[in-house]
Amino acid sequence: GENVEQHPSTLSVQEGDSAVIKCTYSDSASNYFPWYKQELGKRPQLIIDIRSNVGEKKDQRIAVTLNKTAKHFSLHITETQPEDSAVYFCAAKENTGFQKLVFGTGTRLLVSP
Amino acid sequence: EPEVTQTPSHQVTQMGQEVILRCVPISNHLYFYWYRQILGQKVEFLVSFYNNEISEKSEIFDDQFSVERPDGSNFTLKIRSTKLEDSAMYFCASTSGPNTGELFFGEGSRLTVL
Repeated sequence: GENVEQHPSTLSVQEGDSAVIKCTYSDSASNYFPWYKQELGKRPQLIIDIRSNVGEKKDQRIAVTLNKTAKHFSLHITETQPEDSAVYFCAAKENTGFQKLVFGTGTRLLVSP
Repeated sequence: EPEVTQTPSHQVTQMGQEVILRCVPISNHLYFYWYRQILGQKVEFLVSFYNNEISEKSEIFDDQFSVERPDGSNFTLKIRSTKLEDSAMYFCASTSGPNTGELFFGEGSRLTVL
């Protein structure tokens, strides 16, 4: 089955800096890669996603890149703000008929003012 | 905005007791899921459910677990005889189709097994 690795486990940046979180996946048949933000005690919330037929997607300060050949994808947050502080999870959807997501281990992002 | 709702938000139970966690998926969604998250760890897939039957389950979802859609709106997860290691946050989710993108998670039910 799919296996997703995520790095780093923690990331501290100053407000206004950029943050990059990287994930690798093992199953070349995986075709959907969402990123979730989870605040303490809350549900994971989708912030951006990318499908395997696209190399890059951007939504305001957030972007995701996908390299299918290398089987890795990254989340880029520019101009970070303290409210970006949370745990971020990448995930890969196994190539089954349903939304079975395999999650990475999470990155705790701390943005200091 | 429609959302997935879950009850209870927190349940404390004794080891060996049965627990039922309830979910109301988004009304026009047909595909339902349970995921769990042990404190401080990643989110893990448990089971997917469509057309009144399990479509896929993980190795975590053993004989102690079952799911049911008892009526047109609820989707339940039952743990027959809870173990300490079942302590986790359980998230229900739903989608309108099998490959339609965003998985809508509920707020979660925190289960504490003593």
